[in-house]
Amino acid sequence: KQEVTQIPAALSVPEGENLVLNCSFTDSAIYNLQWFRQDPGKGLTSLLLIQSSQREQTSGRLNASLDKSSGRSTLYIAASQPGDSATYLCAGREVGGSEKLVFGKGTKLTVNP
Amino acid sequence: GAGVSQSPSNKVTEKGKDVELRCDPISGHTALYWYRQSLGQGLEFLIYFQGNSAPDKSGLPSDRFSAERTGGSVSTLTIQRTQQEDSAVYLCASSLSPWLKYFGPGTRLTVL
Repeated sequence: KQEVTQIPAALSVPEGENLVLNCSFTDSAIYNLQWFRQDPGKGLTSLLLIQSSQREQTSGRLNASLDKSSGRSTLYIAASQPGDSATYLCAGREVGGSEKLVFGKGTKLTVNP
Repeated sequence: GAGVSQSPSNKVTEKGKDVELRCDPISGHTALYWYRQSLGQGLEFLIYFQGNSAPDKSGLPSDRFSAERTGGSVSTLTIQRTQQEDSAVYLCASSLSPWLKYFGPGTRLTVL
């Protein structure tokens, strides 16, 4: 059974810092991995999706990597801003026909002005 | 364009009552998912609809939970005889491709 873990559970940084959020999964037979952002009282916004054949994806100040062999993904945020404050979730889609995503519990990020 | 919408945004009910939660997916999206997010927990898969295929109900926690999708569009999640442990945010998502899922804002359910 796939399990997804995110470390740390919470992170507070000053504005302008570069930071890394970590995600690990137990089953390397992963179809793809997706990073989401969740703001309080709102739904999830998809940030980046990495297919199993890819190693990384970039969008603006965000870069996500995937290492299936070690069961890890990281989300790198460059030059953090207060508007980046949110909970970041990673989710893996399992191989085998199931469409469901297995989510981690998230990392709550606070960027202080 | 319109995203995934859910109603109501908040629902407070008494233990033992039935509730219905609605999801309007993005037009044209063939796949629809329900997830639940309990306090301090990750999102938990509940059920998945794809076109006219039989739904994947493997995540429903008990037979008090059911869902239907009418006409391949709107979906309703029904919880019968609600319990306090049912309190959570219920999120709906839809997708066209097998990969990218778009989530709605969720319905916050509180069972007193």
